[in-house]
Amino acid sequence: KNQVEQSPQSLIILEGKNCTLQCNYTVSPFSNLRWYKQDTGRGPVSLTIMTFSENTKSNGRYTATLDADTKQSSLHITASQLSDSASYICVVSAQQAGTALIFGKGTTLSVSS
Amino acid sequence: KAGVTQTPRYLIKTRGQQVTLSCSPISGHRSVSWYQQTPGQGLQFLFEYFSETQRNKGNFPGRFSGRQFSNSRSEMNVSTLELGDSALYLCASSFDRPGLARRGTDTQYFGPGTRLTVL
Repeated sequence: KNQVEQSPQSLIILEGKNCTLQCNYTVSPFSNLRWYKQDTGRGPVSLTIMTFSENTKSNGRYTATLDADTKQSSLHITASQLSDSASYICVVSAQQAGTALIFGKGTTLSVSS
Repeated sequence: KAGVTQTPRYLIKTRGQQVTLSCSPISGHRSVSWYQQTPGQGLQFLFEYFSETQRNKGNFPGRFSGRQFSNSRSEMNVSTLELGDSALYLCASSFDRPGLARRGTDTQYFGPGTRLTVL
């Protein structure tokens, strides 16, 4: 069964600190993996997208890694800011006909001053 | 380029009523997908439309339906509303169908959502 598991479910960190969010998936055949950021009351916004052959992708202070062998991805946030407080959603796309987007339940990050 | 727009943004209905939500995709995008988001459940896929045809459907009852028009605009309808239908309904558009494109042309862009409250 295609699944995406994210951990931790929630996280509280101090402003300026770094953090890492995890995403494990059992999706086959794998097409790509995305990380989305969703601010409260808004729709998700794409942060990064990685295909099978890519193992690192950065977007400003956000760096995503992908290990296709172990089927794990992480999102590292450097020097966190208050505006990073949001839900981060991992989405894995299966390469098949028909919609094959499998969503994780997200990690809620709270950055405090 | 204008983003995905959804109307209305907020809606309050009572049990048993029906509701229609609208989504206008980014210009040029052909694929529209709908999701339901509730606290603790995350995003749950409702259906996907491409070229006016429903290509895939999630595990929701038949009370949930949708359609896509020739200009790619989409509507979803929920009949006989239940309390459990209270949620944020998100629409996402992409140029290509999710999962079938190379190098990100199937990246979905989400609208702000419609917050539906069923009393």
